[in-house]
Amino acid sequence: QKEVEQDPGPLSVPEGAIVSLNCTYSNSAFQYFMWYRQYSRKGPELLMYTYSSGNKEDGRFTAQVDKSSKYISLFIRDSQPSDSATYLCAMIGYGQNFVFGPGTRLSVLP
Amino acid sequence: EPEVTQTPSHQVTQMGQEVILRCVPISNHLYFYWYRQILGQKVEFLVSFYNNEISEKSEIFDDQFSVERPDGSNFTLKIRSTKLEDSAMYFCASRGEGEKLFFGSGTQLSVL
Repeated sequence: QKEVEQDPGPLSVPEGAIVSLNCTYSNSAFQYFMWYRQYSRKGPELLMYTYSSGNKEDGRFTAQVDKSSKYISLFIRDSQPSDSATYLCAMIGYGQNFVFGPGTRLSVLP
Repeated sequence: EPEVTQTPSHQVTQMGQEVILRCVPISNHLYFYWYRQILGQKVEFLVSFYNNEISEKSEIFDDQFSVERPDGSNFTLKIRSTKLEDSAMYFCASRGEGEKLFFGSGTQLSVL
């Protein structure tokens, strides 16, 4: 089993849709969870950062962590064409290195 | 807002040549990283650097690669003898005391 798994997509949704992006992981030592957005040929941009189970909201974005199920999600409300990008989940535990998911490519169609 | 700066944005080189990719991490950050991404593939870890020494490296980071922090602000990745398969986007990243990792905009390396 891979350490972090993520639906590869691509995922296409109409503008205004709610998007759900998901990652599962196997290492229970992971304590901090991040979502990055990466536009084509650009560096990953930190979108959301969480360290506890539950939800964290920032504008149209909600990050959800369920440590008991080893599952994290990113929800995008009222999706816009500018949200079209690859979304990477990442996680890290104490004294460990960051582990990235392979990314989900999202297209929001006008 | 502070950011990680990488130069050059594009680098074209001949196979067998040495290249140096440069990064200026966020000024108060302590941990520095290099990642690479081959077009259409996932972000791959190369090396992490803390307290003026390598803290971890991947299998990709072989003897052809080296990193250096020559002064208080720059962090460089050197590839001694480039191969065709080194063609990729190289990202520098840094973090402070917390766990938030910030990436630069990358250097696109093309080896001909």
